[in-house]
Amino acid sequence: GAVVSQHPSRVICKSGTSVKIECRSLDFQATTMFWYRQFPKQSLMLMATSNEGSKATYEQGVEKDKFLINHASLTLSTLTVTSAHPEDSSFYICSATDFQNYGYTFGSGTRLTVV
Amino acid sequence: AQSVSQHNHHVILSEAASLELGCNYSYGGTVNLFWYVQYPGQHLQLLLKYFSGDPLVKGIKGFEAEFIKSKFSFNLRKPSVQWSDTAEYFCAVLKAAGNKLTFGGGTRVLVKP
Repeated sequence: GAVVSQHPSRVICKSGTSVKIECRSLDFQATTMFWYRQFPKQSLMLMATSNEGSKATYEQGVEKDKFLINHASLTLSTLTVTSAHPEDSSFYICSATDFQNYGYTFGSGTRLTVV
Repeated sequence: AQSVSQHNHHVILSEAASLELGCNYSYGGTVNLFWYVQYPGQHLQLLLKYFSGDPLVKGIKGFEAEFIKSKFSFNLRKPSVQWSDTAEYFCAVLKAAGNKLTFGGGTRVLVKP
């Protein structure tokens, strides 16, 4: 079946630095990738939708200059948290689909801790 | 705005008990419906999905869900749970003409051996 690989699984960074998270579709070409944020004991909140070769579409309230998304190929999207602050600490999850089978496949998530 | 509600935040039950998790959505148009499961420390996995046809959908691991259009509901059921069903369960809705999943708040299920 479809597999989405997300790295790193955990990262700790200092406040003010930037962190890049990668999301790769391993065995299919992902027309669209999605980035979610999950707070403890809460649901997944969509941050942005990323289409290959075009600018990401951000949900209301998500700072696009803070959460930079690049979707340079059909198999890779990256989320860069710039100038990270402790309140950015969260669990970030990506999802990818090719829309042929409505297969929203999820990565295993990245636990970001900003100290 | 479209919303998805899962009324049970936590469910605790014993093995062999029956499970039913509620899911209601607010969007009035045509929707596709999903249930995902997240086992501890793992990524979300699709349990089942509904696009059209028979409103009673069977998924993996003995789960099923029933779409009741008049009630805007898509409840998840399993007749007899196992300890390994301990996980968090998420209902999600996709507008038929859209591409963004909207998730419910999730239900944590603990099955006691």
